[in-house]
Amino acid sequence: AQSVTQLGSHVSVSEGALVLLRCNYSSSVPPYLFWYVQYPNQGLQLLLKYTSAATLVKGINGFEAEFKKSETSFHLTKPSAHMSDAAEYFCAVSTASGNTPLVFGKGTRLSVIA
Amino acid sequence: EPEVTQTPSHQVTQMGQEVILRCVPISNHLYFYWYRQILGQKVEFLVSFYNNEISEKSEIFDDQFSVERPDGSNFTLKIRSTKLEDSAMYFCASRETGGYGYTFGSGTRLTVV
Repeated sequence: AQSVTQLGSHVSVSEGALVLLRCNYSSSVPPYLFWYVQYPNQGLQLLLKYTSAATLVKGINGFEAEFKKSETSFHLTKPSAHMSDAAEYFCAVSTASGNTPLVFGKGTRLSVIA
Repeated sequence: EPEVTQTPSHQVTQMGQEVILRCVPISNHLYFYWYRQILGQKVEFLVSFYNNEISEKSEIFDDQFSVERPDGSNFTLKIRSTKLEDSAMYFCASRETGGYGYTFGSGTRLTVV
C-alpha cells in the first residue's frame, strides 16, 4: 500500500521568501510522485510530476521538486513566493506498475504575507 | 490543452434523492477515476474504471454508489440515496496509459440538504 505524509497543514511565508512544502511517501514499488495545487473553490491543477526520469523536476509557476529515494521525500520548493501562490498544495503518489489509484496527502495550505 | 469536463459545477439535492454526476474524460485516456473531497479535508479515492468495469474501489464506495460509461464518452457517478455526509466536492479524473498524466476536472460540488 502507498501513502503520503505532508508535514505541516499550514505554512506561512513572506512574499519573496523561499517556499518549502514537505512530502514524504511510502511505497513498496518505485513510485510516481505528483504535486497538485488547488486554489479556493477550484479544481486540482497539476504542478509537476516525477516519473522515474530526472530526480529534479521543474513545474509550472516556478515550482520544482526533488525526488530523494534515500529519504523517501519529494519536497516542493520555490525560490521566491508570490501572493498568487497562496493555495492548498497536495502531494500524491502512484505507481507505474498498473492501474494504481493516486493517493493524496492531507494537503498543506500556503499563506503568503505581504 | 485537453480537459476533463464535469457537469454540473454545483448540485443541491434533498437527502434520500438520487444524483448523477457527469464527466467527459479526455478522449484518448483509458483509465477513469472518481475522487471526493469533503470540505477542508483530503482528496479521497472512490473508484477506478478501466475497460468498462470497476478495477478498484475504496471502502467509501459502498452499494449506494455506482459508475457507468454509458456511451463511450461520458463517465458517470450515481449516488442512489444521498445522505448529508455525501456533501462534498467530487472530482473526476482520467489517465493515459503509462501510470502518469492524471488530469482532473474542476469538480462538482454536491450539497445534500
